[in-house]
Amino acid sequence: GENVEQHPSTLSVQEGDSAVIKCTYSDSASNYFPWYKQELGKRPQLIIDIRSNVGEKKDQRIAVTLNKTAKHFSLHITETQPEDSAVYFCAANGGGSQGNLIFGKGTKLSVKP
Amino acid sequence: DAGITQSPRHKVTETGTPVTLRCHQTENHRYMYWYRQDPGHGLRLIHYSYGVKDTDKGEVSDGYSVSRSKTEDFLLTLESATSSQTSVYFCAISEGSAFSEAFFGQGTRLTVV
Repeated sequence: GENVEQHPSTLSVQEGDSAVIKCTYSDSASNYFPWYKQELGKRPQLIIDIRSNVGEKKDQRIAVTLNKTAKHFSLHITETQPEDSAVYFCAANGGGSQGNLIFGKGTKLSVKP
Repeated sequence: DAGITQSPRHKVTETGTPVTLRCHQTENHRYMYWYRQDPGHGLRLIHYSYGVKDTDKGEVSDGYSVSRSKTEDFLLTLESATSSQTSVYFCAISEGSAFSEAFFGQGTRLTVV
């Protein structure tokens, strides 16, 4: 089945710096890669996603890149702010099945003022 | 927020007792999921459903069963709870069209003593 590896597990940056979180997946049939943000004590919420027919997608300060050949995708946050502090999860739909949404173990991002 | 509610929100139960968690949606979404969240493990898929009476196993299905007799309700049952099932359980829903967003419930904190 699908396996999603996420690195790093923790990341600390200064406010205004950029942050990059990387994920790899194992199932070449996966074709949908969402990223979720979870603030302390709250539910995960989608922040951006990318499909396998696209190499990059941007939404204001966040962007996601996908390399299908290497089976890895990354989240980029620019001009980080304290409110970006949270746990971020990447995911992939194993086997191209919407039901089989497999998550990485998460990255705890801390943005220091 | 998507119309998705979990009940109960908190539960303490004894080892060996049966426990049922309920997920209720008002969005008429086709897919429903149960995840568990544990420190260091991220979100792990337990079971998912792609329609009434249509369910499939996820990554960590041992010790859990599910049922979906109506579109709006997805039940997760621990037949005989063990301490290793102490966790936060999240239900999620998605439309079912390709690449649609998964919306999460508020979570249920289950403690097995």
